[in-house]
Amino acid sequence: QKEVEQNSGPLSVPEGAIASLNCTYSDRGSQSFFWYRQYSGKSPELIMSIYSNGDKEDGRFTAQLNKASQYVSLLIRDSQPSDSATYLCAVLAGNNRKLIWGLGTSLAVNP
Amino acid sequence: EAGVVQSPRYKIIEKKQPVAFWCNPISGHNTLYWYRQNLGQGPELLIRYENEEAVDDSQLPKDRFSAERLKGVDSTLKIQPAELGDSAVYLCASSIGGTGSGYTFGSGTRLTVV
Repeated sequence: QKEVEQNSGPLSVPEGAIASLNCTYSDRGSQSFFWYRQYSGKSPELIMSIYSNGDKEDGRFTAQLNKASQYVSLLIRDSQPSDSATYLCAVLAGNNRKLIWGLGTSLAVNP
Repeated sequence: EAGVVQSPRYKIIEKKQPVAFWCNPISGHNTLYWYRQNLGQGPELLIRYENEEAVDDSQLPKDRFSAERLKGVDSTLKIQPAELGDSAVYLCASSIGGTGSGYTFGSGTRLTVV
């Protein structure tokens, strides 16, 4: 089992819809969770961080964390074509402070 | 505030040649990371520095890769000799501490070995 797993996609949603991206992790000691967005040919950009169970909202983005089930998700409301990118989930390992990365989910928002 | 600065942006070299990448982190960020990213993959940590000290280099192929961070600021990553499989994007990132505040990445260096 990979330490951080994401569906590779592509996930395709129409403009204005809600895009739901999921991530599961294996290290129960993990405390910090991040979502990065990466446009083609660009570097990853941090868009959300979450540390506690529940929801965290920032504009059109909502991160959800469930430590008991070991998953973290990212919801993008009112999806725009400019949201089309690869979304990387990263989890800070509980013991050695190393970020463990998923392979990313490719999102395409269709006008 | 200037972000993480990397150079060069692109590099094409022949196999067996040496190559070096440079990174200037965000001012005040004591932790610096070098990552390698292949197409369709997540970033792979090569080395992490806290100030001048390399605290995690377990993924660095030490037979051909070396890195340094003199004075705890700028860093260079070197490959000698380069192999075809080294073609990738090399990303530098920095953060305040390593405890999960999130990283800021530079624009990366796209290396092509021919």
